[in-house]
Amino acid sequence: QSVLTQPPSVSGAPGQRVTISCTGSSSNIGAGFDVHWYQQLPGTAPKLLIYNNINRPSGVPDRFSGSKSATSASLAISGLQAEDEADYYCQSYDNSLRHHVFGTGTKVTVL
Amino acid sequence: EVQLLESGGGLVQPGGSLRLSCAASGFTFSSYAITWVRQAPGKGLEWVSAISGSGGNTYYADSVKGRFTIARDNSKNTLYLQMNSLRAEDTAIYYCAKEMTTNNAVYFDYWGQGTLVTVSS
Repeated sequence: QSVLTQPPSVSGAPGQRVTISCTGSSSNIGAGFDVHWYQQLPGTAPKLLIYNNINRPSGVPDRFSGSKSATSASLAISGLQAEDEADYYCQSYDNSLRHHVFGTGTKVTVL
Repeated sequence: EVQLLESGGGLVQPGGSLRLSCAASGFTFSSYAITWVRQAPGKGLEWVSAISGSGGNTYYADSVKGRFTIARDNSKNTLYLQMNSLRAEDTAIYYCAKEMTTNNAVYFDYWGQGTLVTVSS
């Protein structure tokens, strides 16, 4: 059972903006640990999308952006494209569990 | 180019054992911690185990503690996961991932393609 909660699914038309929330608690995001995001295209391994809340690795389009507040974080995808259809996971560290934790995952559908 | 290549997956009976390997290239293997993450069919990602660059520190999820052992051979640039007393709920794709550490965070910047472990009679 994950300690980071994400909506199961979000959808949008091409060109629209969608956001995915990642809700944690005082033992993970609220404790000051950074949040990272991964994209998993169908049938492939996860790929790092955002690290340390807001940073994009080289090669990741600037349509993807991240933010973090008290006990939650968000991933925004602007100018949605068909190739963005994938599962997205947040990840952080939990002080109580004393190990890394992933979010429940969100499936993004492009209408 | 960083590459991680898992192997060793397969079909095993409940209670059986399996050893996974992860061959790394394209970076200084001994300088980085490596993690195992698994994904049950149709489910989300679950962190399983991690090992420091030197191999001196190991970490496990409660779900596998006492049954799985992580190890590495830095002379061979290879990571291992010895899985004993396997259960049906261990059925998953197992990924190895390279850790990147910053001041207040650890994230996984490169992943292997995964190897499927199926526990069934």
